[in-house]
Amino acid sequence: DSGVTQTPKHLITATGQRVTLRCSPRSGDLSVYWYQQSLDQGLQFLIQYYNGEERAKGNILERFSAQQFPDLHSELNLSSLELGDSALYFCASSVVGQSYNEQFFGPGTRLTVL
Amino acid sequence: AQTVTQSQPEMSVQEAETVTLSCTYDTSESDYYLFWYKQPPSRQMILVIRQEAYKQQNATENRFSVNFQKAAKSFSLKISDSQLGDAAMYFCAYRSQGAQKLVFGQGTRLTINP
Repeated sequence: DSGVTQTPKHLITATGQRVTLRCSPRSGDLSVYWYQQSLDQGLQFLIQYYNGEERAKGNILERFSAQQFPDLHSELNLSSLELGDSALYFCASSVVGQSYNEQFFGPGTRLTVL
Repeated sequence: AQTVTQSQPEMSVQEAETVTLSCTYDTSESDYYLFWYKQPPSRQMILVIRQEAYKQQNATENRFSVNFQKAAKSFSLKISDSQLGDAAMYFCAYRSQGAQKLVFGQGTRLTINP
């Protein structure tokens, strides 16, 4: 158990819908990252938040957005869903400041768009 | 942009034998970090081993060791005395000194034959 929690574990929805994925980082970790794992694109970095502020952006679609709340949990919002958005979405957290900055991954949310 | 390449989509090894997984990367930076992550059927991402580019000594964690060749931009993972529990997808990942995001390779599926 990494200490990072993600809910829900599985999500099945239809095209055009909107969903919210939730992540709670490890206690004390200020930084949260979102990654997408799909068959087509592999594991890709989407976005990073640090203490409530966006820190870095990767290949995140405009239909996707995220935020980190004062209690440090984060939500990834996916809207106007398409079949190609079906993937495993990981959240990771870390303590920024360590030289190697190990990222601890949550168990992921499996999103299926039908 | 940095890229990570794992040229072996699948590997198999007999239990108790040694196997080496390959990884190459492309970067113009001199300071960075390299990681190997394991993803078992549970889909959890587990950090296996890490290497700081400024360290010449190869990292070792129990049965896992790396061969880091900075000039060749190569970072292979050696698993000694393979065990059934080592069966998983293995991902090589790169992180630059300044950025926090991980850049992953495509993964190598490792099968352990009893």
